[in-house]
Amino acid sequence: NAGVTQTPKFQVLKTGQSMTLQCAQDMNHEYMSWYRQDPGMGLRLIHYSVGAGITDQGEVPNGYNVSRSTTEDFPLRLLSAAPSQTSVYFCASGPRTSGTGELFFGEGSRLTVL
Amino acid sequence: GENVEQHPSTLSVQEGDSAVIKCTYSDSASNYFPWYKQELGKRPQLIIDIRSNVGEKKDQRIAVTLNKTAKHFSLHITETQPEDSAVYFCAAYNAGNMLTFGGGTRLMVKP
Repeated sequence: NAGVTQTPKFQVLKTGQSMTLQCAQDMNHEYMSWYRQDPGMGLRLIHYSVGAGITDQGEVPNGYNVSRSTTEDFPLRLLSAAPSQTSVYFCASGPRTSGTGELFFGEGSRLTVL
Repeated sequence: GENVEQHPSTLSVQEGDSAVIKCTYSDSASNYFPWYKQELGKRPQLIIDIRSNVGEKKDQRIAVTLNKTAKHFSLHITETQPEDSAVYFCAAYNAGNMLTFGGGTRLMVKP
């Protein structure tokens, strides 16, 4: 099993550009989520999903969109990138729809917005 | 929403000493409290977790305690080793399907 796969690992954008961070898992997990990690602020939840066709907002959803058309994939879209979105993004999945239990993280995607 | 405070932000100990990291949470309905370890440049990985119906849980050199009344929980690492050096995150889960993380503690174990 590959676990949770994120692409790309690094990306540089200009302000106003859009892009999609891809996340795929092969563990048949119902729960998937996106976090951003900034120095001193821990991991902050952007969006999450408890199953295909179901998404919900986390703590910091503004400027991001998600969709969940399949159990395996959970892409994160930046609509119009801003310097404040410079961060490391982690996708995580878990076996429980409640979100409890172990979360399995991807390797992270480092995004820089100029 | 839930708010998780974590202290200290940095912790330096000598190899062999114990390390304690403390977290407080705000939502009394939170019922699941995991701890994640993140080595430099790596992804976070679960090291131990505790549910609200348990007061303490141990796994070899690490233990977690939970005080529901005071709404705080702690990670204890005994006999620290250089490979314990990492950033540790506490988190709290509430019935809203959201896992909220603390700000992290950078633990440095000096040989």
